[in-house]
Amino acid sequence: KAGVTQTPRYLIKTRGQQVTLSCSPISGHRSVSWYQQTPGQGLQFLFEYFSETQRNKGNFPGRFSGRQFSNSRSEMNVSTLELGDSALYLCASSEPTVPGGYTFGSGTRLTVV
Amino acid sequence: AQSVTQLDSQVPVFEEAPVELRCNYSSSVSVYLFWYVQYPNQGLQLLLKYLSGSTLVESINGFEAEFNKSQTSFHLRKPSVHISDTAEYFCAVANAGNNRKLIWGLGTSLAVNP
Repeated sequence: KAGVTQTPRYLIKTRGQQVTLSCSPISGHRSVSWYQQTPGQGLQFLFEYFSETQRNKGNFPGRFSGRQFSNSRSEMNVSTLELGDSALYLCASSEPTVPGGYTFGSGTRLTVV
Repeated sequence: AQSVTQLDSQVPVFEEAPVELRCNYSSSVSVYLFWYVQYPNQGLQLLLKYLSGSTLVESINGFEAEFNKSQTSFHLRKPSVHISDTAEYFCAVANAGNNRKLIWGLGTSLAVNP
């Protein structure tokens, strides 16, 4: 079956702009989690959605938001971009009955200039 | 609060040598433990996991990890590495209860040299 698809793969934005990233989970997976990965901070949890509801949230400012649609596809949005938002954003889908059974996408590399 | 410590940020080894990537965690409750691998320019892939039962778990490509509850460790080992094992390795822990959010280590960069 198809894996987790993240679009776009690469993105360059300027400070102050906003960006929307997309994630299509594996068919049948109802949970989608988002992570920010940077060399200095490692993997940091942004949020998790299950059945269109945010179930968990990490310690990120309100400029970071997300949503999940009825087909389990998810989007995350970052408003008023800052240079420090440059990172690899990873999406992972899972079926909550399977502990730790996360399948990751290849990520979106966001560069803020 | 749960936390994960990967004791080595970088591990250089020669091909065919054994390797151990160390992972310690702190938790006051029962946990699930995971190792994920990230190859360059790719997402993370599950390498192996401990949920219950045998404390020694194995992956299909020769890695193994042992859950040591008394030492709160889940070290990853391979008796003979290949160039293709060069990657970033992440240890993660999840609460075995209802909230199964993964807590991640900072990763260990394994560099296998010829």
